[in-house]
Amino acid sequence: DIQMTQSPSSVSASVGDRVTISCRASQGISSWLAWYQQKPGKAPKLLIYAASSLQSGVPSRFSGSGSGTDFTLTISSLQPEDFATYYCQQASSFPYTFGQGTKLEIK
Amino acid sequence: QVTLKESGPALVKPTQTLTLTCTFSGFSLSTSAMRVSWIRQPPGKALEWLARIDWDDDKFYSSSLKTRLTISKDTSKNQVVLTMTNMDPVDTATYYCARISVSGYSFDYWGQGTLVTVSS
Repeated sequence: DIQMTQSPSSVSASVGDRVTISCRASQGISSWLAWYQQKPGKAPKLLIYAASSLQSGVPSRFSGSGSGTDFTLTISSLQPEDFATYYCQQASSFPYTFGQGTKLEIK
Repeated sequence: QVTLKESGPALVKPTQTLTLTCTFSGFSLSTSAMRVSWIRQPPGKALEWLARIDWDDDKFYSSSLKTRLTISKDTSKNQVVLTMTNMDPVDTATYYCARISVSGYSFDYWGQGTLVTVSS
């Protein structure tokens, strides 16, 4: 199975800050990577697919980059509604696997 | 408008079989390239992918759980069913069904999730 490792596990930031979350795959996955946002008690929401494509309706302050084994989710200017947990997920091979999550908290 | 909703028992006993149903609308699993997956999340923990079924009835399973899982579809009812045998307290989780996007094998629409507790 491909292991997905996110860093950091948690991060504190302020409204307006630029935040970067990393995701590393244990083997190459080309661009078969997605990012999700999850708020407490809610289902995850797709933000980015194919490593860098913005899902329809998602604000442009979210962006994704990377290919192969190293990927990044960037939020350019944090808004109050962005405080949540973020997950990466690989779709290169079965079984699909998720990272352990990064909790973004208010400083 | 695509929607999905999970249904099933909130409480099951250890060793019992869990049956969950995902009822969806806004797309058809008889349409080429349509796929639905099940994903679960134990309380306070990360997401875990369980299974996938495709429009052509191809099926894929988690390697660690494949001996316990069966996924099936009823196209006429717009439903996908997941069964998990020999339930254990560690299987306590919120179970989600989700549609897989055509463009990138990501999960673009999710159900609200259903919490299943395994306890005697």
